[in-house]
Amino acid sequence: SQQGEEDPQALSIQEGENATMNCSYKTSINNLQWYRQNSGRGLVHLILIRSNEREKHSGRLRVTLDTSKKSSSLLITASRAADTASYFCATAALTGTASKLTFGTGTRLQVTL
Amino acid sequence: SAVISQKPSRDICQRGTSLTIQCQVDSQVTMMFWYRQQPGQSLTLIATANQGSEATYESGFVIDKFPISRPNLTFSTLTVSNMSPEDSSIYLCSAIDTHYGYTFGSGTRLTVV
Repeated sequence: SQQGEEDPQALSIQEGENATMNCSYKTSINNLQWYRQNSGRGLVHLILIRSNEREKHSGRLRVTLDTSKKSSSLLITASRAADTASYFCATAALTGTASKLTFGTGTRLQVTL
Repeated sequence: SAVISQKPSRDICQRGTSLTIQCQVDSQVTMMFWYRQQPGQSLTLIATANQGSEATYESGFVIDKFPISRPNLTFSTLTVSNMSPEDSSIYLCSAIDTHYGYTFGSGTRLTVV
């Protein structure tokens, strides 16, 4: 399978703490994206990082990309109960149909008060 | 970003029957995709819906089981045919807008009994 791996599979933290999720993938990529999914519903696009970028910020989110290690991390700072969700990384391949996304296995984040 | 209306949001179906899921985008989009998310799992791409031609299916998915239509640049349907309990999943459509990138529908939660 070309599916990426994410770790941890599940993460439980208290409100105000930081949450870090990691994603590893197998093929050369055009870009890597992070998504949030609440309660098995639709996906919300969080951030996209291109293969020539190493770090990107968006509000409380910080994403890093290491193409030599084929890995990425998502950091959520000062977490809130509303951040409770599943988080998925997804890669767009460098060759073929660059638009197709391959999703990682996901991290379930629980933020408690 | 583009907004996708996906329906139905959920359904419970008898085995052996078929269900058609619809996705309507509020603007013309270049590409549309259909994904399956089995319980507790990540998303797997079923096919790319091509406007005016046959869909492009991923390995493990066939047209007889998952016929797809895309009559124009804003609309697509996925039919899950001759359903069995193993087809119980969340089905999501996705679209790429040249300006805003990727967006997902809210998903259809299908239960086959």
